[in-house]
Amino acid sequence: AQSVTQLGSHVSVSEGALVLLRCNYSSSVPPYLFWYVQYPNQGLQLLLKYTTGATLVKGINGFEAEFKKSETSFHLTKPSAHMSDAAEYFCAVSVGSGGGADGLTFGKGTHLIIQP
Amino acid sequence: GAGVSQSPSNKVTEKGKDVELRCDPISGHTALYWYRQSLGQGLEFLIYFQGNSAPDKSGLPSDRFSAERTGGSVSTLTIQRTQQEDSAVYLCASSLGTFTGELFFGEGSRLTVL
Repeated sequence: AQSVTQLGSHVSVSEGALVLLRCNYSSSVPPYLFWYVQYPNQGLQLLLKYTTGATLVKGINGFEAEFKKSETSFHLTKPSAHMSDAAEYFCAVSVGSGGGADGLTFGKGTHLIIQP
Repeated sequence: GAGVSQSPSNKVTEKGKDVELRCDPISGHTALYWYRQSLGQGLEFLIYFQGNSAPDKSGLPSDRFSAERTGGSVSTLTIQRTQQEDSAVYLCASSLGTFTGELFFGEGSRLTVL
């Protein structure tokens, strides 16, 4: 079974500063990795995903993440935070080619706070 | 519709009552998922449908929870004899069926059990 650990339930950064949200996964087979974002009172939307190929993936709104197999990590970064980035961020892992419970396992989420 | 639609958006009920939560997925999406989101607990998988069948019900927390899907479209999650610990946001998501990791989520139904 796979699992996801997100370090830090809350992360606070200043506007314009680097954003770094940490995600580590556990999987016995090569995983698919995802970041989802949830804005207040909204559903989740896909930010970016890694399946195969290039280990640095770029997503929407200037976010990117790098898959590091040796570190079992998939940290999310953005060079310069904007007030509109304030949201809940979820890392997720999948090892299944189908759906179901092995479709996606989510971390507990990291609440990103942007200080003006 | 253009997106996943869930109703009601908010539901307040008394302990012991039954509730029904509805999800209308994106047209053409064959896979449908229910998750429960509790404060500080992330997303808890409940059940998955492929078409009208539910190959994976492993996440349903108790036999008070059930779900069905008809016509390969609308799904209903039913919670019988609600308890206070059932209070949460219930999220529905749909996808094309071949798993790509892109689930499209509704805005959720917030359930409060008094």
